[in-house]
Amino acid sequence: QQQVKQSPQSLIVQKGGISIINCAYENTAFDYFPWYQQFPGKGPALLIAIRPDVSEKKEGRFTISFNKSAKQFSLHIMDSQPGDSATYFCAASGGSYIPTFGRGTSLIVHP
Amino acid sequence: DTAVSQTPKYLVTQMGNDKSIKCEQNLGHDTMYWYKQDSKKFLKIMFSYNNKELIINETVPNRFSPKSPDKAHLNLHINSLELGDSAVYFCASSQAGYRYEQYFGPGTRLTVT
Repeated sequence: QQQVKQSPQSLIVQKGGISIINCAYENTAFDYFPWYQQFPGKGPALLIAIRPDVSEKKEGRFTISFNKSAKQFSLHIMDSQPGDSATYFCAASGGSYIPTFGRGTSLIVHP
Repeated sequence: DTAVSQTPKYLVTQMGNDKSIKCEQNLGHDTMYWYKQDSKKFLKIMFSYNNKELIINETVPNRFSPKSPDKAHLNLHINSLELGDSAVYFCASSQAGYRYEQYFGPGTRLTVT
């Protein structure tokens, strides 16, 4: 059973646009929600993370929005750039520190 | 400086062979992991290990075994390789108190023919 559902599977955005990736979780024991960015041929890298005591966290052009009651969180990439083209994974951890990953979103930003 | 390194980068082998992938981290972390990423890019945890505890994902065949000579190294041994083992394998590490923050290596692409 997939505990973290991520959508969309793929996303194409024009340069300067907003990229939005959504995730939903089921396990209420989760208390840490990171996003990882993976470029082709590289390992995933931690991009930004949030804990459920806040509803939003912003780092540069990247923002996580968190809705605890709906058990949903999302990544917003403002002013998307071609260099943002990558696969993005949401994840959730809690209790056990081993994260559960979403299935990933392939983002392409056209120049 | 490389934080988490893996060797080899690519590994091509035949069915039935036994192979190992090495992982080293120079971050001083106390916990290391192995992940499998399939062709659809799904990341699946295989093992989590520190000097006190080995957590094995119950879906991982016992042909896979982690071996840690010291805190900075966690190698992955695979016996009797099968076609379905073809994937990219990632090593990762984290530190107590920050275990939710994982640092991944560059991956090893294993192809079984």
